[in-house]
Amino acid sequence: QWQLQESGPGLVKSSETLSLTCSVSGFPISISTYFWGWIRQPPGKGLEWIGSIYESGSTYYNPSLKSRVTISVDTTGNHFSLRLSSVTAADTAVYYCAGHHCGGDCSTLAGYNWFDPWGQGALVTVSS
Amino acid sequence: DIQMTQSPSSLSASVGDSVTITCRASQNIASYLNWYQQKPGTVPKLLMYASSSLQTGFPSRFRGRGSGTDFTLTITNLQPEDFATYYCQQSSITPLTFGQGTKVEI
Repeated sequence: QWQLQESGPGLVKSSETLSLTCSVSGFPISISTYFWGWIRQPPGKGLEWIGSIYESGSTYYNPSLKSRVTISVDTTGNHFSLRLSSVTAADTAVYYCAGHHCGGDCSTLAGYNWFDPWGQGALVTVSS
Repeated sequence: DIQMTQSPSSLSASVGDSVTITCRASQNIASYLNWYQQKPGTVPKLLMYASSSLQTGFPSRFRGRGSGTDFTLTITNLQPEDFATYYCQQSSITPLTFGQGTKVEI
């Protein structure tokens, strides 16, 4: 059974950079049928896709966050990371990492793809 | 961006009931539609992918249907463990977007 686990600071000061790492165990991050994604959920609210990365390093970002987001992958260490710069209180959320199954065609994120499995989530609070 | 609108936002039901949640996309997304189940304080779980394919581990009382812009998730013979919030998500084009969620409660 493979697992994903987020790690990183739970408290970040406003205007600074949020950094999280997702460690993948029991499954090679270099597998061709998966992207690796980040999704967040503000307290009491819905889900927002942040972005996804392929093992080659190809990335897709949500345009609403693109100017502040960097997702990277370390195939040797079997983990991937999220950096979100210039954070504000609006970035306070539970951040989930997830396996992002390509559904057969990993040349694009347009088509059959879905998030499974998910990490346990990491609550990140932005303080002023 | 493709807007995903779920209805209702919440519903009350009893054990044994059948309920239907609707998800409408702002443009044609073919069958590129997934459903997730999230119980309070827990991680979302993939429930259904490609509109009607049930994820391993979930019982057959969950049924997904639809294509184009209109989709439904039906739960028949509602069980106590089904009380949760359900989200639809389109994977047709980026940015990938989720519906606002439908809370199924007693």
